[in-house]
Amino acid sequence: ETGVTQTPRHLVMGMTNKKSLKCEQHLGHNAMYWYKQSAKKPLELMFVYSLEERVENNSVPSRFSPECPNSSHLFLHLHTLQPEDSALYLCASSQGRTTFSGANVLTFGAGSRLTVL
Amino acid sequence: DQQVKQNSPSLSVQEGRISILNCDYTNSMFDYFLWYKKYPAEGPTFLISISSIKDKNEDGRFTVFLNKSAKHLSLHIVPSQPGDSAVYFCALEGPGANSKLTFGKGITLSVRP
Repeated sequence: ETGVTQTPRHLVMGMTNKKSLKCEQHLGHNAMYWYKQSAKKPLELMFVYSLEERVENNSVPSRFSPECPNSSHLFLHLHTLQPEDSALYLCASSQGRTTFSGANVLTFGAGSRLTVL
Repeated sequence: DQQVKQNSPSLSVQEGRISILNCDYTNSMFDYFLWYKKYPAEGPTFLISISSIKDKNEDGRFTVFLNKSAKHLSLHIVPSQPGDSAVYFCALEGPGANSKLTFGKGITLSVRP
């Protein structure tokens, strides 16, 4: 497989459930990201991992817990979510950027559509 | 407060004509300006980018224009094709290395055959 693969594509969960979203990239990239896309809103950056170290956490509630066991895999563990957490969760990867190397182009997965009941 | 605004939520264009998608921003410190395209049930895919030191970048049917004084970015698609129908996001990066992308809400483009 090539590119960025996300599973599951669709997930329905109750507020008391624990579930996980999985992302895998086959591009040899150094950085991985979780974004949230809600209706009528811009993509919101949640977490960034660079070389398996979390480098950004955008004030995301603790009910979302990321895990990056290696540079190819990224998880988002979900626990006691709220209905307003229903959204499309997008994983992305990139080579990373230095000042002179050009734009940091992200490659996105197809997303996991989450519905919280 | 949104730093990146795509004020028109949708645009409909006849096949063969030009599509012009606009994006305005407030922070003058961005280094790179990117456009992504998204089809339903797929993730966004990178389309074209421009550095803050340039005012135009062209790639086939796609041209991005940057007007730094007006803090305005636009994507021109000519000629437009039905397969271009998608949601287009502008995304701004910077300042500095390892900075994050700030996305607009997106514009839905429909190209009529």
